[in-house]
Amino acid sequence: GQNIDQPTEMTATEGAIVQINCTYQTSGFNGLFWYQQHAGEAPTFLSYNVLDGLEEKGRFSSFLSRSKGYSYLLLKELQMKDSASYLCAVGDNTDKLIFGTGTRLQVFP
Amino acid sequence: DTGVSQNPRHKITKRGQNVTFRCDPISEHNRLYWYRQTLGQGPEFLTYFQNEAQLEKSRLLSDRFSAERPKGSFSTLEIQRTEQGDSAMYLCASSLVPDYEQYFGPGTRLTVT
Repeated sequence: GQNIDQPTEMTATEGAIVQINCTYQTSGFNGLFWYQQHAGEAPTFLSYNVLDGLEEKGRFSSFLSRSKGYSYLLLKELQMKDSASYLCAVGDNTDKLIFGTGTRLQVFP
Repeated sequence: DTGVSQNPRHKITKRGQNVTFRCDPISEHNRLYWYRQTLGQGPEFLTYFQNEAQLEKSRLLSDRFSAERPKGSFSTLEIQRTEQGDSAMYLCASSLVPDYEQYFGPGTRLTVT
């Protein structure tokens, strides 16, 4: 079966660091994606990991451990505009995306 | 590059009516995906095309749903005899093989009354 788990909600303070975890069990694996989605808007691509390790892109970093079926998204120097849902998704062996339910992050001043 | 566009953005229909949505992918993108998203959930895969060929359909896609991509450019998704459970955001995404990144459109929000 296909299962992707991530926390439903998280809160953090402006300027802080937050880590959003994602665990997955899927029948195929062609990479782990993180998308950001503001309310009422389309998901926008943040990161892609296909090999183990950390990928850094500005304030955002993403980590993958394929043996553990685990990824995290790290957001540094949080800003109010980072309040959004963060979607963890696995690309399966036909390249479609299998999404988790998303983590709603609220950033407070 | 104008991004992925979808029309209409909102559709309200009565149960039993047919609806059709359109997606225009980023030009030259050869893959086009349809997803459905309900409130508080992540998008769920419905179907995808490579050029004009429909390569996979989800088991979620009942016989009331049909999708086409006749010339390998825009795509349409039709829902026949709509039910209240069809109320959702329908998202389209496109990509260019071998790149994995999928670019999403703004979605069509369907409300079935």
